[in-house]
Amino acid sequence: DAGITQSPRYKITETGRQVTLMCHQTWSHSYMFWYRQDLGHGLRLIYYSAAADITDKGEVPDGYVVSRSKTENFPLTLESATRSQTSVYFCASGGTPPLDTQYFGPGTRLTVL
Amino acid sequence: RKEVEQDPGPFNVPEGATVAFNCTYSNSASQSFFWYRQDCRKEPKLLMSVYSSGNEDGRFTAQLNRASQYISLLIRDSKLSDSATYLCVVAVSGGYNKLIFGAGTRLAVHP
Repeated sequence: DAGITQSPRYKITETGRQVTLMCHQTWSHSYMFWYRQDLGHGLRLIYYSAAADITDKGEVPDGYVVSRSKTENFPLTLESATRSQTSVYFCASGGTPPLDTQYFGPGTRLTVL
Repeated sequence: RKEVEQDPGPFNVPEGATVAFNCTYSNSASQSFFWYRQDCRKEPKLLMSVYSSGNEDGRFTAQLNRASQYISLLIRDSKLSDSATYLCVVAVSGGYNKLIFGAGTRLAVHP
């Protein structure tokens, strides 16, 4: 089915471990985004990508790494997880501006112990 | 000051009530405006775009006041299924259309 999927949906890890969150979309959208959502905050942009091999930092990029070797995939890696990275992570995709609508994946709930 | 501010609520209303949410934004360069809906533990979904002339989609009416940097959402004849968090979202153009999210207003509709 077409859409945007994320895996895993839930993850518990320990401080200092590397974690990779996966995102896959089937719409061939050029833009993809990673957000985190914490209580009391709106969604905050971590990284975004305009196309394969083109990525850029968002509002809160520290501690995260992204790559985009294929249009449909946009993995997010926490190089050395910290407790402050406990959050819900949403991946989104959208067409080239001015088509502003972003479509969100179901989210990954990450807990760092 | 947050770029997009919303009353967090919760708004507790009976079925059939009319409820209004307000939102203010600080970036005068904001170009596009949206309301997203987010159900508990789910992803945000676009509810409606907001246009300067105001727009309506069934029981939902959105208004934009650029001079006051103010956005509103009116829900008429509330249903139990309207219970959710409503996110005010502003897009600022700059290479790509950066979306800035408010923290959301929670609505609980009771029988």
